[in-house]
Amino acid sequence: DAGVIQSPRHEVTEMGQEVTLRCKPISGHDYLFWYRQTMMRGLELLIYFNNNVPIDDSGMPEDRFSAKMPNASFSTLKIQPSEPRDSAVYFCASTNVRGTEAFFGQGTRLTVV
Amino acid sequence: GDSVTQMEGPVTLSEEAFLTINCTYTATGYPSLFWYVQYPGEGLQLLLKATKADDKGSNKGFEATYRKETTSFHLEKGSVQVSDSAVYFCALSDRRTGNQFYFGTGTSLTVIP
Repeated sequence: DAGVIQSPRHEVTEMGQEVTLRCKPISGHDYLFWYRQTMMRGLELLIYFNNNVPIDDSGMPEDRFSAKMPNASFSTLKIQPSEPRDSAVYFCASTNVRGTEAFFGQGTRLTVV
Repeated sequence: GDSVTQMEGPVTLSEEAFLTINCTYTATGYPSLFWYVQYPGEGLQLLLKATKADDKGSNKGFEATYRKETTSFHLEKGSVQVSDSAVYFCALSDRRTGNQFYFGTGTSLTVIP
């Protein structure tokens, strides 16, 4: 398996634009997590899914953020409208109900100017 | 709720020095414990794990023992190398609370020749 795949690796956008980050989890994994990493706040859990259903979205900072998982092999994190303070590295991770470790993607570095 | 408290960084050591990074946890159930490592520009990779009390996880010369009595999972290495320079994250996951992963704030390690 190629591991967790995220795209794009880097995204630069202007304030006010819509940004969509994408994630393909490892096949067979039924948990998917979205994290945000910044120097100031470290690694924050934004939302996680189990069997494509959002379980806990309490970490989503505000209504500008939304996440979907239309099927077991694809998830998106959307920011609309984007703001400079959204600049961060966004990680996707997946695991399965029998597994005990989360596998991380390479991350998307988002810069909002 | 569940949480992880990790030693603050940054840590700077000379090559071949002994490393300890402290980690304590709070959990209502019986979590699995992990150490992840993040090299510059990359995602988090699992370094080692322990799934029950008194288990010792080990990998690449690093070790950590799951201590239930002290709720700790300290990371140790007897002789660090320059290539060990990275950020280290302690984490826990408890299936009884939804398989969510909780991460510490990370400890940056720099090893100088």
